[in-house]
Amino acid sequence: QSVLTQPPSVSGAPGQRVTISCTGSSSNIGAGYDVHWYQQVPGTAPKLLVYGNTNRPSGVPDRFSGSKSGTSASLAITGLQAEDEADYYCQSDDSSLTDSVFGTGTKLTVL
Amino acid sequence: EVQVVQSGAEVKKPGDSLRISCKASGYIFTNYWITWVRQMPGKGLEWMGRIDPSDSYTHYSPSFQGHVTISADKSITTAYLQWRSLKASDTAIYYCARILHLINGPMVHNWFDPWGQGTLVTVSS
Repeated sequence: QSVLTQPPSVSGAPGQRVTISCTGSSSNIGAGYDVHWYQQVPGTAPKLLVYGNTNRPSGVPDRFSGSKSGTSASLAITGLQAEDEADYYCQSDDSSLTDSVFGTGTKLTVL
Repeated sequence: EVQVVQSGAEVKKPGDSLRISCKASGYIFTNYWITWVRQMPGKGLEWMGRIDPSDSYTHYSPSFQGHVTISADKSITTAYLQWRSLKASDTAIYYCARILHLINGPMVHNWFDPWGQGTLVTVSS
């Protein structure tokens, strides 16, 4: 069961900006746990996109940025490209359930 | 290069046992935990549990406790996910990943990188 809620889908035209939200609770994001984001292109393994709320691993374009406030976090993608079409998942830790929890996932469609 | 490489796809019958593997390379195996994640067909990611390869301490999600076993052999830098009796509902892709973490006071923040390529497990009579 996912305890982090994401919109099922978002879409945008090439070049546009989209945001994906990740809503948690007082036992995970609201407790101060960091939020991390993964990109999963269909048919491939997830790939780390943002860690520690705002940090990008080497090689991830600066078009991707993360933020966190209260019990929620967001992933913003600017200058949308066709290759960004994928599923995106947030992940955090939870003090009342398991160690780690994933969001419900969001499918990004580039129109 | 830091990487984790998983064993190949498996087709099993209900009631069969199975062990899949996750071979780590490019880093000190015992310095980082390993996690396993399930993705059922067309569904999202589910955290299953983790292991500390230095002492084989494990922690499981309540959803998977008692149904799977996570283990590791540090002599060959390999982690495993094992079932004693598979069910059709175990059909899924299973991913392993290295856990990176940051300790900030009483809080430990965990994230996963890199991920293995995934192992498809199909259970069907």
